[in-house]
Amino acid sequence: DQQVKQNSPSLSVQEGRISILNCDYTNSMFDYFLWYKKYPAEGPTFLISISSIKDKNEDGRFTVFLNKSAKHLSLHIVPSQPGDSAVYFCAARESGSARQLTFGSGTQLTVLP
Amino acid sequence: ETGVTQTPRHLVMGMTNKKSLKCEQHLGHNAMYWYKQSAKKPLELMFVYSLEERVENNSVPSRFSPECPNSSHLFLHLHTLQPEDSALYLCASSQDVRGSGYTFGSGTRLTVV
Repeated sequence: DQQVKQNSPSLSVQEGRISILNCDYTNSMFDYFLWYKKYPAEGPTFLISISSIKDKNEDGRFTVFLNKSAKHLSLHIVPSQPGDSAVYFCAARESGSARQLTFGSGTQLTVLP
Repeated sequence: ETGVTQTPRHLVMGMTNKKSLKCEQHLGHNAMYWYKQSAKKPLELMFVYSLEERVENNSVPSRFSPECPNSSHLFLHLHTLQPEDSALYLCASSQDVRGSGYTFGSGTRLTVV
């Protein structure tokens, strides 16, 4: 049973538009959430995170929103650039515990020039 | 170069072969991990090592055998694998097991024939 779900395996967006990647979780003990980005032939790299005490965290073109009541988070990229084309993984954990990150299955984002 | 180096990048092996995957980090991290990424599936945690001691084994078949001789090196020994074991194997490290700042290697693409 997947505790972190990314229901859209792929997403295509026009350059300059907004990309919205979604992630749902089922474990109410999760209180720290991360997004990783993965290019082909490379390992995932950390992109942005959010703690459950916040509902929004912004870093440049990337913003993560957290809706705790819905157990939903989303990553917004605006404006999208062709270099953003990659697989995006959502991950979650219970902070302060030794439990490791639980990952989603990823969403392939393609930004069309 | 992320600081976590995995070799080889690609490996093709027969079901009766024995091979090893190697991971090396010089980030001063105390925790190291093996993850498996199969197509369209979440990253699956396989093993966790903290200060060279295995602290987590996620019901991984015995045909996968990890080894952590020191805090900078992690191996995954493979023997009598099955075709369904074909996947991308990712190594990661973090400051300690409670840290969320994982640094991933580029992975080894394993094909079992």
